[in-house]
Amino acid sequence: EAGVAQSPRYKIIEKRQSVAFWCNPISGHATLYWYQQILGQGPKLLIQFQNNGVVDDSQLPKDRFSAERLKGVDSTLKIQPAKLEDSAVYLCASSSGQPYGYTFGSGTRLTVV
Amino acid sequence: KQEVTQIPAALSVPEGENLVLNCSFTDSAIYNLQWFRQDPGKGLTSLLLIQSSQREQTSGRLNASLDKSSGRSTLYIAASQPGDSATYLCAVPGAGSYQLTFGKGTKLSVIP
Repeated sequence: EAGVAQSPRYKIIEKRQSVAFWCNPISGHATLYWYQQILGQGPKLLIQFQNNGVVDDSQLPKDRFSAERLKGVDSTLKIQPAKLEDSAVYLCASSSGQPYGYTFGSGTRLTVV
Repeated sequence: KQEVTQIPAALSVPEGENLVLNCSFTDSAIYNLQWFRQDPGKGLTSLLLIQSSQREQTSGRLNASLDKSSGRSTLYIAASQPGDSATYLCAVPGAGSYQLTFGKGTKLSVIP
């Protein structure tokens, strides 16, 4: 089966600019997650979708981050305006539910200068 | 709140050695535990998924064990190779939740 697709792979922007990331999960996976991974840390959950509804966005900095999942399939994560501390790898994952585990995409490495 | 700890934070071994990576978690009410591999700046590759009812899982040179009652898992890598150099992360879904909580990882370097 095809994996989780993410784009772009790399992005460099200046602070205060905006950026968007795209994710296409595995076909049929109802649950989609966005994680942020800062260098040297484990990934931290930003938002969880079940189909096209938000299950948990308690750790999403809503003053600058937004996310949506179109028709319960693709998802976009946006940052506006970006700060230096947003430099990280943004990971998208999908799951068909427990106990089946997660599949992660290859990530987007964001550098804010 | 689930917390995951991985020891050691970094490990350097000569090629051919067998090695063990450790993972501990605070809440034993888990569905499963998953081990991932991450190359620098890249995404996560799933290595092994152990269900809560299982004691261990094997894939090639990798063997992962799970002791739910003590909140521990180990990842055993046999006959290590330079290509095994990466960061290894363990993760568990929180109690009553499908959201993964990760450790900070163990950075493995296998020296030729």
